[in-house]
Amino acid sequence: GEDVEQSLFLSVREGDSSVINCTYTDSSSTYLYWYKQEPGAGLQLLTYIFSNMDMKQDQRLTVLLNKKDKHLSLRIADTQTGDSAIYFCAEKDNYGQNFVFGPGTRLSVLP
Amino acid sequence: KAGVTQTPRYLIKTRGQQVTLSCSPISGHRSVSWYQQTPGQGLQFLFEYFSETQRNKGNFPGRFSGRQFSNSRSEMNVSTLELGDSALYLCASSPSRVETQYFGPGTRLLVL
Repeated sequence: GEDVEQSLFLSVREGDSSVINCTYTDSSSTYLYWYKQEPGAGLQLLTYIFSNMDMKQDQRLTVLLNKKDKHLSLRIADTQTGDSAIYFCAEKDNYGQNFVFGPGTRLSVLP
Repeated sequence: KAGVTQTPRYLIKTRGQQVTLSCSPISGHRSVSWYQQTPGQGLQFLFEYFSETQRNKGNFPGRFSGRQFSNSRSEMNVSTLELGDSALYLCASSPSRVETQYFGPGTRLLVL
């Protein structure tokens, strides 16, 4: 079945870049997403990328997709303390509405 | 536009009871999905409703059920609560069966 994997923890210093990685198994995935969850809150859609793209940039966020290796990454430039949260990678294929989420990467930003 | 709202935000129940959670999607959104989030299992898909019909269902027992009303508002029900049902229940809405979902703040359920 579908599976999405992420490393569970990442620590960076304020002002540095953060790179959060994700791998997925479903080659039919059409859309890939990054969500952010702050403590006690729901999920906030950060960005998404279509499978026919290999890069998408949105202000401080850059998403890279390597479809051959089924690898997705999220780069946050100039990481701030407000970026501390859990980041979820998710995929959706073209056949259903079922989103499959990774376990989440907890990003800690150190002053 | 107002975002996805979920009520109640917090709930405490005891084993064996049943519970009903409510979700109001973003105005104009017709698809509503429900997820269970726990520290051990992460985010797991429960079911999705579109135009009052269940379109997709995750791998949960029959104690978990849902419905959607003509105004797209959705409810989920859990009967015969177990301790393991303690979780954050998240609702998400989409305009149709398109690529983006917008999440509500969740209902945190504690089963004692």
